[in-house]
Amino acid sequence: KQEVTQIPAALSVPEGENLVLNCSFTDSAIYNLQWFRQDPGKGLTSLLLIQSSQREQTSGRLNASLDKSSGRSTLYIAASQPGDSATYLCAASGAGSYQLTFGKGTKLSVIP
Amino acid sequence: ETGVTQSPTHLIKTRGQQVTLRCSSQSGHNTVSWYQQALGQGPQFIFQYYREEENGRGNFPPRFSGLQFPNYSSELNVNALELDDSALYLCASSLSPPWRDNEQFFGPGTRLTVL
Repeated sequence: KQEVTQIPAALSVPEGENLVLNCSFTDSAIYNLQWFRQDPGKGLTSLLLIQSSQREQTSGRLNASLDKSSGRSTLYIAASQPGDSATYLCAASGAGSYQLTFGKGTKLSVIP
Repeated sequence: ETGVTQSPTHLIKTRGQQVTLRCSSQSGHNTVSWYQQALGQGPQFIFQYYREEENGRGNFPPRFSGLQFPNYSSELNVNALELDDSALYLCASSLSPPWRDNEQFFGPGTRLTVL
């Protein structure tokens, strides 16, 4: 059974700082890993999708990496802004199981 | 292109009642999944539908049931509501058949409160 863990649970940084969010998963046999953003009480916004054959994906100030052998993914946010404040969730799509298994998320606060 | 939409936005029910939540998939998407997100937790997979057939189910009791229609819209039905059913219910759709890598797109969710 796939388990996904996100550390830290919460993070507070000053505006302009670069930061890294961590995600680990127990079963390396994944189809892909997806990073989402969730604003309070809202749905999920897809940020980046990394296929199992890829090592990283980039979109603007965001860069996500995937290391299947170690069961880890990171989301790097450059030059953080107050508008980046939200909860960030990672989710693994497992081989043979089409569901997404989510971590509990990291709540990010960017202080102006 | 219209994204995933869900209705209603909020819903309040009492224990023992039944509820139906609705989801319209993103245009052209034929796979829909439902998730339950309790406060402070990550979403938990309920079930998935592909071309009107249930394609997978998470660890939820049979009182959670669903439907997918020919236009790929979907319903989630919950019978005999319990207090622990209070959560944000999320619908996600994807373009590819479930056995392929595919990106899932989520709707805004329905907030269900059971009193």
